[in-house]
Amino acid sequence: NAGVTQTPKFQVLKTGQSMTLQCAQDMNHNSMYWYRQDPGMGLRLIYYSASEGTTDKGEVPNGYNVSRLNKREFSLRLESAAPSQTSVYFCASKDEGRGDTQYFGPGTRLTVL
Amino acid sequence: AQSVTQPDIHITVSEGASLELRCNYSYGATPYLFWYVQSPGQGLQLLLKYFSGDTLVQGIKGFEAEFKRSQSSFNLRKPSVHWSDAAEYFCAVEYGNKLVFGAGTILRVKS
Repeated sequence: NAGVTQTPKFQVLKTGQSMTLQCAQDMNHNSMYWYRQDPGMGLRLIYYSASEGTTDKGEVPNGYNVSRLNKREFSLRLESAAPSQTSVYFCASKDEGRGDTQYFGPGTRLTVL
Repeated sequence: AQSVTQPDIHITVSEGASLELRCNYSYGATPYLFWYVQSPGQGLQLLLKYFSGDTLVQGIKGFEAEFKRSQSSFNLRKPSVHWSDAAEYFCAVEYGNKLVFGAGTILRVKS
């Protein structure tokens, strides 16, 4: 039982390049989330998916797209990376009940030059 | 709008001393509240959560938190801090199916 896994752990991009961050969970959770963490700002929600086949914008969706590939996998895509997207990205999952715990992956540290 | 405020960006305590991290929330209904801890270079781990019942909740690693509705607070406490508690701590409130996080408090432990 690996929980929530993310790949890659580190990535350096040049401005304008694209990439996809991968996330998978093996807990059979319905809901999945993508956050970014910046110093002094806590975690901010980029996108989330309440169930397979659905996605919704969070607080900071601009410049990102997501795909809920199946119940296990939720990917985050940067189509044209910008230095403002330098951040640590976390994926999380939870079951659908109110108050259920969100479980977090180890994060991806992304630098855009 | 729902929000979470953690007034202290950094806190330094001596090993063995007591600890209290502050959290204030803004939420119209009965809140579901969480405390998470993040060790350097790691993901977030749940310490404890509150959604009903006893207003003093116990968590892992010897932490506890008290919900005070009148003060809109959910402060985290530990009676005796260990060096391994050095980390960043996040308070969060659940809104719909999402979490809204505070900015975090970095705890430093001095020996």
